[in-house]
Amino acid sequence: KAGVTQTPRYLIKTRGQQVTLSCSPISGHRSVSWYQQTPGQGLQFLFEYFSETQRNKGNFPGRFSGRQFSNSRSEMNVSTLELGDSALYLCASSLWGGFNQPQHFGDGTRLSIL
Amino acid sequence: DAKTTQPNSMESNEEEPVHLPCNHSTISGTDYIHWYRQLPSQGPEYVIHGLTSNVNNRMASLAIAEDRKSSTLILHRATLRDAAVYYCILLRETSGSRLTFGEGTQLTVNP
Repeated sequence: KAGVTQTPRYLIKTRGQQVTLSCSPISGHRSVSWYQQTPGQGLQFLFEYFSETQRNKGNFPGRFSGRQFSNSRSEMNVSTLELGDSALYLCASSLWGGFNQPQHFGDGTRLSIL
Repeated sequence: DAKTTQPNSMESNEEEPVHLPCNHSTISGTDYIHWYRQLPSQGPEYVIHGLTSNVNNRMASLAIAEDRKSSTLILHRATLRDAAVYYCILLRETSGSRLTFGEGTQLTVNP
């Protein structure tokens, strides 16, 4: 069974640009969550999508947005990139989300802002 | 979410059992106990979760104290690949899918 796939693995951008990251969940999983991980702040929740609808949102500015497609694949977009956006962006999928289910993570996209 | 407390680091020898403790004295009755781990340069990996009863899976066992104020993750035979940071977290219905990791326990496995 294929795991969660995130593309690209590495990305270098400059300030002011925008970026789109992609996540393909495990087949059959309908919930996709996005996280930002940095050495200083640790793992921070961005948002969760379920059946193409954003179900939960963390405390990030509106520059961070996402969407989910009918096949449960998800994309995350960051506009007007700032130096502080340099981080590992992780995607996790689960059957239908929730507190009593495991989440399965991809290996992330490492975004570097110059 | 309720807070958990874990040792900063632990050391083990290869092929020996490892017991990773987690204290959660403010746990509520409906909080699930989850364990994840993260190897260097990889995304977090789900290990195990439970509510009240002990749980076993192919990766590990989870032993939950009778009062649920503590739990122990048991790796039955440590391998070098088990060297990672282990996170114990509590999730309740209001958490949804939102995971928040603390400092975790850095496990070192000696060959």
